[in-house]
Amino acid sequence: DAEITQSPRHKIIETGRQVTLACHQTWNHNNMFWYRQDLGHGLRLIHYSYGVHDTNKGEVSDGYSVSRSNTEDLPLTLESAASSQTSVYFCASSESLGNTEAFFGQGTRLTVV
Amino acid sequence: GIQVEQSPPDLILQEGANSTLRCNFSDSVNNLQWFHQNPWGQLINLFYIPSGTKQNGRLSATTVATERYSLLYISSSQTTDSGVYFCAVELRRANDYKLSFGAGTTVTVRA
Repeated sequence: DAEITQSPRHKIIETGRQVTLACHQTWNHNNMFWYRQDLGHGLRLIHYSYGVHDTNKGEVSDGYSVSRSNTEDLPLTLESAASSQTSVYFCASSESLGNTEAFFGQGTRLTVV
Repeated sequence: GIQVEQSPPDLILQEGANSTLRCNFSDSVNNLQWFHQNPWGQLINLFYIPSGTKQNGRLSATTVATERYSLLYISSSQTTDSGVYFCAVELRRANDYKLSFGAGTTVTVRA
């Protein structure tokens, strides 16, 4: 079955370190998204991509970067982790034409200490 | 940006009860989805419903796009229905597929 997977599921890192969260989908979807979920804020969009080599900033993009070198993967990098980036991160994907239903990965719980 | 408001913010139900959750949005949309976030944090797709009515078991949803709202109905609730229900919308704009989420409704079903 096609799916979307995130890794790692849990991560603890020190302030100032760089970390990359992986997202891989096997639906061949054009669109991929990264959201963060925090208490009191719901899900907020960090970055998104509508195809290979396309990346765009969302509403809370500061301190994050993404790259899209192939259809299947959209890794999210925190260049210098801050405690404010402690959160649960969700990756999602969707098609561009017709049914644009989005599907989410299991989430990555990141703690910055 | 588009505003998505969900009500009520919290709902406590006795097992077997019925309930209605509401999602209002401020602009025309291409896509509307309902999700259930279970106690383990997983986001489960419930409905992809930009307009009309759909049913899946004890759950059903109706979106009235012209009046900019959607309703999620839970009938004969079970403890496994507990969790947070999110409404998310995709703005009606060419080549714009981002979802904007409401704050969610937290549902607690008591045995």
